[in-house]
Amino acid sequence: EDQVTQSPEALRLQEGESSSLNCSYTVSGLRGLFWYRQDPGKGPEFLFTLYSAGEEKEKERLKATLTKKESFLHITAPKPEDSATYLCAVHDYKLSFGAGTTVTVRA
Amino acid sequence: KAGVTQTPRYLIKTRGQQVTLSCSPISGHRSVSWYQQTPGQGLQFLFEYFSETQRNKGNFPGRFSGRQFSNSRSEMNVSTLELGDSALYLCASSSGQKDTQYFGPGTRLTVL
Repeated sequence: EDQVTQSPEALRLQEGESSSLNCSYTVSGLRGLFWYRQDPGKGPEFLFTLYSAGEEKEKERLKATLTKKESFLHITAPKPEDSATYLCAVHDYKLSFGAGTTVTVRA
Repeated sequence: KAGVTQTPRYLIKTRGQQVTLSCSPISGHRSVSWYQQTPGQGLQFLFEYFSETQRNKGNFPGRFSGRQFSNSRSEMNVSTLELGDSALYLCASSSGQKDTQYFGPGTRLTVL
C-alpha cells in the first residue's frame, strides 16, 4: 500500500520568509508525484507533477523537487495569498494523498 | 476550457436517506475519479470510471456506488446515509489513468 507523509502539519510564516514543505513517500513504482494547493471549502488545485528523481519544476514563488524517497515544495518570499493547504500525492491506479501542510503567511 | 463541475454544491440529508451527486469532467477527459475528504481521514479514493466502466474501487462499503455515462459525465450514489458520510465529495477528471487529475469544487454533504 502506498504511503505518503507530509511535514510539518502546519507552518506559520511571515511575509517574505522562505521555507520548505516535505513529502516522503513509499511506493512500489512511482508513476508520478503530484502537488496540489487547496483553499478552505474548495477542491484541490493542481500545481506540479514530478516523475523522476532530480526533476524540478517552478511556478511563481513555488518550486518542487523530487528525490527517490521524498519531494520538497519550496516557497520563496511568500505572500499572504500563498496561505493554503498544500497536498502531495503519489499515483498508482489512484492518487494516495498525504494529510497536507497548512501554510499561513502573515503580512 | 471549462473545468470540472459538480452539482449540487451543498446537500443536507438525514440518516437513512440516499443521495446522488453529479460530476461533469473537462471536455475530452474520459477518466473520472471520486474522492471523499474528511478532517479525520483526509482525501480517500472511492472509485474510478473510464469509458463507462469502473476500473478501480477503494475500500468503501457497497452503499457507495457510481456510474459513468457515454458523454463521460459521472454520478455517485450513497444509499442508507450514516452520520459518518458527512464529507466533501470531490470529483476529478483526467485524459487517462496515469495523467494529471483535475478536481472540481466538490459537493459538501451533511448528514443529520
